[in-house]
Amino acid sequence: AQRVTQPEKLLSVFKGAPVELKCNYSYSGSPELFWYVQYSRQRLQLLLRHISRESIKGFTADLNKGETSFHLKKPFAQEEDSAMYYCALSGRRTGGGNKLTFGTGTQLKVEL
Amino acid sequence: ETGVTQSPTHLIKTRGQQVTLRCSSQSGHNTVSWYQQALGQGPQFIFQYYREEENGRGNFPPRFSGLQFPNYSSELNVNALELDDSALYLCASSTGLAGRDEQFFGPGTRLTVL
Repeated sequence: AQRVTQPEKLLSVFKGAPVELKCNYSYSGSPELFWYVQYSRQRLQLLLRHISRESIKGFTADLNKGETSFHLKKPFAQEEDSAMYYCALSGRRTGGGNKLTFGTGTQLKVEL
Repeated sequence: ETGVTQSPTHLIKTRGQQVTLRCSSQSGHNTVSWYQQALGQGPQFIFQYYREEENGRGNFPPRFSGLQFPNYSSELNVNALELDDSALYLCASSTGLAGRDEQFFGPGTRLTVL
């Protein structure tokens, strides 16, 4: 069974402070991991995926298979980073479907 | 390029009624997935359609059913509505079935069951 755990419902940091949003997963095969973000009054959108190995809006996430984690990090939080962040997992099999299993989300609040 | 659209935006129904929600996928996308998002929870996978065929289903009862049309738009039907069906229903489209494919989400339909 697929499972994604985000232990924090709310994370509050000051502007300029480092951010780490935690995500742990459970999956028997090779997973594809994603971070989706939802800004206020906007739709859910992809922030980054582990396969791309890129930094988006200053955020990075490294897949740690040993710890089954995919934590999202940013060295210096900005006010515009305030949003709801969801970690999500999909199987890697092509043609097997790409259903996403989401965590419960972490609300990031960046305070001035 | 047109994004994913959903209708209606909001809907209020009473217990036992039936509801149909609609989704137009993004241009060029042949795969549509539906998710239910209860308050305070992450989206939960209902089912997925690929080229008009169901391709995977989550842990939802048969009273949740769907369709995908030749233009790849989709419908979600829920029969015998229950109070717990109150949620935000999200539609997402993608270019295929690969696990790495990005899913593009619509704004959602907020269903309230009284």
